[in-house]
Amino acid sequence: AQSVTQPDIHITVSEGASLELRCNYSYGATPYLFWYVQSPGQGLQLLLKYFSGDTLVQGIKGFEAEFKRSQSSFNLRKPSVHWSDAAEYFCAVDTGFQKLVFGTGTRLLVSP
Amino acid sequence: DAGVIQSPRHEVTEMGQEVTLRCKPISGHNSLFWYRQTMMRGLELLIYFNNNVPIDDSGMPEDRFSAKMPNASFSTLKIQPSEPRDSAVYFCASSILDGNTIYFGEGSWLTVV
Repeated sequence: AQSVTQPDIHITVSEGASLELRCNYSYGATPYLFWYVQSPGQGLQLLLKYFSGDTLVQGIKGFEAEFKRSQSSFNLRKPSVHWSDAAEYFCAVDTGFQKLVFGTGTRLLVSP
Repeated sequence: DAGVIQSPRHEVTEMGQEVTLRCKPISGHNSLFWYRQTMMRGLELLIYFNNNVPIDDSGMPEDRFSAKMPNASFSTLKIQPSEPRDSAVYFCASSILDGNTIYFGEGSWLTVV
C-alpha cells in the first residue's frame, strides 16, 4: 500500500541554521510528491512538488527538496531558517487521480 | 483571487445534532476533496468529486457521513447524528484535474461535546 513516513515528530532548529526534514515514501510507480506547510489554525499551503525531471525542486519561501529514487526519499531543506518558518510540515504522495496520502507531519520549532 | 472558502470556521455542537460543513471551491476547478485531520489519524481523504460526481467515497467513515456537490461552486459535508469522535478539522480542497496542485481551504474546526 502507498504510504509516506516522516520519522521526526518534532524538530528544533536555531534561527539562521539549516534545516532538513525527512520524508520516505512507498509507491510502486513514479511518484508525484508534495510538501505542504500548515501554520497554527490555518490550512495547508503547498511549498513545492515533484512530478518528473530535475530531482532538485525549488519551492516558495526559500525551500527546496530532492527526490532520490534509490532511497525512496523526498527530503525538504532550507539553508537558513527564519522564526516565521515555525509550523507543521507534511509530505504527501499522489496515489492516482490526485488522491493524496499524507505523512504524519513534522512540527518545526525555531529557537532564537 | 479567492481561495477555497469553507464555513463555518468553528463549530461546537452537542452529540446527536446534525452538522453541515460547506465549501466553495476555486472557480474553474473541477475536482473537490474533503479531508479530515485528527491527532490520532492525521490527514485522511474522506471523499472526492470530479465534475460534481463523487468518484471515491471509500474514506467516508460510516453512514452518518454524507457529502454532496450539487453544482461546480458548492459542496457540503454532513454528519448526522454527530458524535464526540467526529471532533476534528475538516478541510475542503480543490484542483484542476490535470493541474496536479491541490489548494486547501482554512478548515472547519468541529467540536462535538
